[in-house]
Amino acid sequence: DIVLTQSPVTLSLSPGERATLSCRASQSVRNYLAWYQQKPGQAPRLLIYGASNRATGIPARFSGSGSGTDFTLTISSLEPEDFAVYYCQHRSNWPPCSFGQGTKLEIK
Amino acid sequence: QVQLQESGPGLVRPSQTLSLTCTVSGDSISSDDYYWSWIRQPPGKGLEWIGYIYFRGSTYYNPSLKSRVTISVDTSKNQFSLKLTSVTAADTAVYYCARWDCTNGSCYFSYWGQGTLVTVSS
Repeated sequence: DIVLTQSPVTLSLSPGERATLSCRASQSVRNYLAWYQQKPGQAPRLLIYGASNRATGIPARFSGSGSGTDFTLTISSLEPEDFAVYYCQHRSNWPPCSFGQGTKLEIK
Repeated sequence: QVQLQESGPGLVRPSQTLSLTCTVSGDSISSDDYYWSWIRQPPGKGLEWIGYIYFRGSTYYNPSLKSRVTISVDTSKNQFSLKLTSVTAADTAVYYCARWDCTNGSCYFSYWGQGTLVTVSS
């Protein structure tokens, strides 16, 4: 099974700063990677699919990059509403889906 | 606008069966383009994919849960359902239903329900 490892576990930054979140796969997942944002008490929200495609309505400050085993979610300039937990998720032949353990982005 | 809504008991006794239903609005569950999924999240922990179903009835389950899980679909009601048997406290979680989309080989959960907390306790 493919394992997704996210780093760091917690990231402490201030509004206006740039955030860089990492997701590493134990073997290649091509570009079959998605990113989600989850705020307390809410369902996850799709941000990025296909490693680099923004979902509908997602602000341009969110961008995704990478392929194979190493992926990055970048938030170019943090807004107060961006502080949340972020998950990566891959699609493979079997099992078809799994998630990383999450990165908590907190206010410094 | 696509909306999903989970419903079902919030409390289940140990060893009993957890049953939840997801009602889809704004989209047809009989669409050729999507699978319909269940995902859960224990309190304070990460996300775990449970399984998904295609409207024609084909199902795919997480191997770790496969022996206890059944997902079914009712196209006449635009609903799909989850049954998890022999529950224990480890099954306490927020349960989400979601739509599984695929684009150019990449698959992802595009729409989610709000989630429903199910507690397993006597």
